[in-house]
Amino acid sequence: DQQVKQNSPSLSVQEGRISILNCDYTNSMFDYFLWYKKYPAEGPTFLISISSIKDKNEDGRFTVFLNKSAKHLSLHIVPSQPGDSAVYFCAASATGYNTDKLIFGTGTRLQVFP
Amino acid sequence: KAGVTQTPRYLIKTRGQQVTLSCSPISGHRSVSWYQQTPGQGLQFLFEYFSETQRNKGNFPGRFSGRQFSNSRSEMNVSTLELGDSALYLCASSLSILDSSYNEQFFGPGTRLTVL
Repeated sequence: DQQVKQNSPSLSVQEGRISILNCDYTNSMFDYFLWYKKYPAEGPTFLISISSIKDKNEDGRFTVFLNKSAKHLSLHIVPSQPGDSAVYFCAASATGYNTDKLIFGTGTRLQVFP
Repeated sequence: KAGVTQTPRYLIKTRGQQVTLSCSPISGHRSVSWYQQTPGQGLQFLFEYFSETQRNKGNFPGRFSGRQFSNSRSEMNVSTLELGDSALYLCASSLSILDSSYNEQFFGPGTRLTVL
């Protein structure tokens, strides 16, 4: 039972354009969402997060949008740069349960070409 | 501040053997979680330790076990290795402050296990 889904395994975007990565979840108990970026042979690094009490969070070129009614979140990268090429994982957590456990999606490989 | 470290980085074992992986969390972090990453499956939660106690466990067979020491360092063990255990094993640590809305997890570089 995949509670967090990233339905696009890969995405290719031209440098300077917008990259939009999508994520869907099924568990209504999730109230905190994160995006991690992963390069080969490295562990995931935290990118940006959003609490369920918000619908948008911005950090520089990165913006995460949350649509609770649709159980959908997206990560926007504007403008995209070649260094953004990596695998992006969406993750969710149910806070207040005395755990830091994260449920991850299967990842989307982003390639930004010149 | 040093990040999360994992040893060894690469490991090759044969079916039926057992393996122990080690994780040293960021200084001051009390919670350590383990994840398995395989192609097409993303990161699957294995277990989480806090103050030497397992406080959460994923859906993995009993061959997968772990422990945490008083200095918060953690080990995970896989017994009777199977070909399907070949994966990247990631460790993450967090401060795990009680009553905090969320405790961000910081990941180590992982241990690449290959089972032949």
